[in-house]
Amino acid sequence: DSGVTQTPKHLITATGQRVTLRCSPRSGDLSVYWYQQSLDQGLQFLIQYYNGEERAKGNILERFSAQQFPDLHSELNLSSLELGDSALYFCASSVVGLAVYNEQFFGPGTRLTVL
Amino acid sequence: SQQGEEDPQALSIQEGENATMNCSYKTSINNLQWYRQNSGRGLVHLILIRSNEREKHSGRLRVTLDTSKKSSSLLITASRAADTASYFCATAASGGTSYGKLTFGQGTILTVHP
Repeated sequence: DSGVTQTPKHLITATGQRVTLRCSPRSGDLSVYWYQQSLDQGLQFLIQYYNGEERAKGNILERFSAQQFPDLHSELNLSSLELGDSALYFCASSVVGLAVYNEQFFGPGTRLTVL
Repeated sequence: SQQGEEDPQALSIQEGENATMNCSYKTSINNLQWYRQNSGRGLVHLILIRSNEREKHSGRLRVTLDTSKKSSSLLITASRAADTASYFCATAASGGTSYGKLTFGQGTILTVHP
């Protein structure tokens, strides 16, 4: 158990819908990262927040958005869902915001299925 | 696109044998990390090697880094059935505003037969 929690574990929805994925980082970790894992694209970095502020952006679609709240939990919002958005979405956390210093601790993931 | 390419894509061995996985990357890095993922579950950090290090050990794991060749290898000695998983290398870019971004390779699927 990494100490990172994600809800829900599974999500099944229809095209065009909007969903919210939630992540609680390890106690004391200030940085939260979101990744998408799919068969064709592999594991892709989406976005990073550090202490409430966006710090780095990866291959995140405009239909997707995220935020980190004052209690440090984070939410990833996916809208106008398409079949291709079906994937495993992981949240990770670390103490500080720089990958140069430390590893990231991953949550169990949310499996999103878009029908 | 993925930063790294891992080789082999799949590896099947018997318990007790050693497993070696390789990772190549394209850009300058600050560190390289290896992660393990059991089927459909979250990733678990194994080891981090910085760009100024050449070799690192952790239990049955040995990681090497050759920045001149932009490559790394992960050796698992005396493998066990419980080592069956996917193994990913991930790179942290040097400089710029990369902050916490990790770029993952495609992974190697390791199967250890009892």
